[in-house]
Amino acid sequence: SYVLTQPPSVSVAPGQTARITCGGNNIGSKSVHWYQQKPGQAPVLVVYDDSDRPSGIPERFSGSNSGNTATLTISRVEAGDEADYYCQVWDSSSDHHVVFGGGTKLTVL
Amino acid sequence: QITLKESGPTLVKPTQTLTLTCTFSGFSLSTSGVGVGWIRQPPGKALEWLALIYWDDDKRYSPSLKSRLTITKDTSKNQVVLTMTNMDPVDTATYYCVLPGGDAFDIWGQGTMVTVSS
Repeated sequence: SYVLTQPPSVSVAPGQTARITCGGNNIGSKSVHWYQQKPGQAPVLVVYDDSDRPSGIPERFSGSNSGNTATLTISRVEAGDEADYYCQVWDSSSDHHVVFGGGTKLTVL
Repeated sequence: QITLKESGPTLVKPTQTLTLTCTFSGFSLSTSGVGVGWIRQPPGKALEWLALIYWDDDKRYSPSLKSRLTITKDTSKNQVVLTMTNMDPVDTATYYCVLPGGDAFDIWGQGTMVTVSS
C-alpha cells in the first residue's frame, strides 16, 4: 500500500515562507493535492494537480512535485494560515484508491 | 451552487451497522464523469478515504475497509448512501461527503460526527 509521509509539525514566523513536504515513493509521477483544515471545519482544497490553485485561493499558496517529495509552499505566512495541511494522491498500483498523508500542523509563531 | 449534506445516527453500538446518507444539490450523479465519495476523520487524527461511487455505478473502496463498506446511489433522490458493518469504537469519527473535481476533492460537506459506544 502506498504511503505518504508528512512532518507532524512546521513552525514559521509571520511574513516568512512555510514549506510542508509530502514524501512518497516516486511521488513525482503522481498528481498531488493539498488541503487546509482549520479547527472545527471541513478541509478546503488549496492546491490540486501538484501546483494549480482553485479559484479563491491566494497566490501565496503554491505547490511542486518531483522525485520522492511534493512540497506545499506558503509565502508571506499570515496568522490565518495556521491549520492542519494534508496531501493526497490516487494510488493506481492496485484497487485504484485514495491515499492521504498523516497531516502537518502549521504553527504561526 | 453545489452543496452536500451528511445525515445519519450520531451514536451507534459496537457490532451494529452504520448507514449514512449524503444528500446533494447543484449537480447530477447521472452526468458523465461525476462521482461522490466519503472521507472520515477520527478526533485529532488524519483524514481517511473510505469510498467513491461514479455516475456509471463504478465503485471504489478503501482496501483496508473494503469488506465492511457498501456505497450506493439513488440518482432520482440526489443521494449517496454508505453502509459500514460491524462498527467498533475506533470507527468513531467525523464522516464527510465529498465531490471530486478531477482527482482532488474540491467540495466537502460539513461532516457528521458518529460515536461508537455501548
